[in-house]
Amino acid sequence: DGGITQSPKYLFRKEGQNVTLSCEQNLNHDAMYWYRQDPGQGLRLIYYSQIVNDFQKGDIAEGYSVSREKKESFPLTVTSAQKNPTAFYLCASTQSGARMNTEAFFGQGTRLTVV
Amino acid sequence: GDSVTQMEGPVTLSEEAFLTINCTYTATGYPSLFWYVQYPGEGLQLLLKATKADDKGSNKGFEATYRKETTSFHLEKGSVQVSDSAVYFCALSELANSKLTFGKGITLSVRP
Repeated sequence: DGGITQSPKYLFRKEGQNVTLSCEQNLNHDAMYWYRQDPGQGLRLIYYSQIVNDFQKGDIAEGYSVSREKKESFPLTVTSAQKNPTAFYLCASTQSGARMNTEAFFGQGTRLTVV
Repeated sequence: GDSVTQMEGPVTLSEEAFLTINCTYTATGYPSLFWYVQYPGEGLQLLLKATKADDKGSNKGFEATYRKETTSFHLEKGSVQVSDSAVYFCALSELANSKLTFGKGITLSVRP
């Protein structure tokens, strides 16, 4: 079955540590996204990538980093510079921007808690 | 830049009540419009979409019409069920970059 897989589902991190969230898709989509979800704030875009080896900052990129070495994979690293990393993180993918009706497919999310 | 504004929540309704969730948008071009639904502990799923003015998207009894003149995409359902309890997000996508912009979401609770 085609889809997006995020792992792990739950993640605990000590303050001062970097942690990497995995996102893999087998939909052959060009574009991939990372969103952060906090109660009452909806989804905020962290980073997005429209093609392999290229990515752009979203609205809240500070304290995060990404890579896009393969079409299928778009890992997100939450660095120690992120002041408030506890949140629910969602990965998504879409076909390229050439299509207007670009439906996004989402993973099940990773809940990160700093302890 | 692009933006999506949803009505404030949460919303609590009794089963079989009529539902309206308001959504308005600001965009520079001609966006596609979407409603996504998120059930507890899960990612988002596409509920319905519309790609041009006056299009009506529909799915599972939900409907929304793309109104260019009022820049709106309000979600409606004639008779809600307990299973409709979830968070609903309005979103838009511009042709230029396929970047999705979401509203803040609204939590719907339906009581028996």
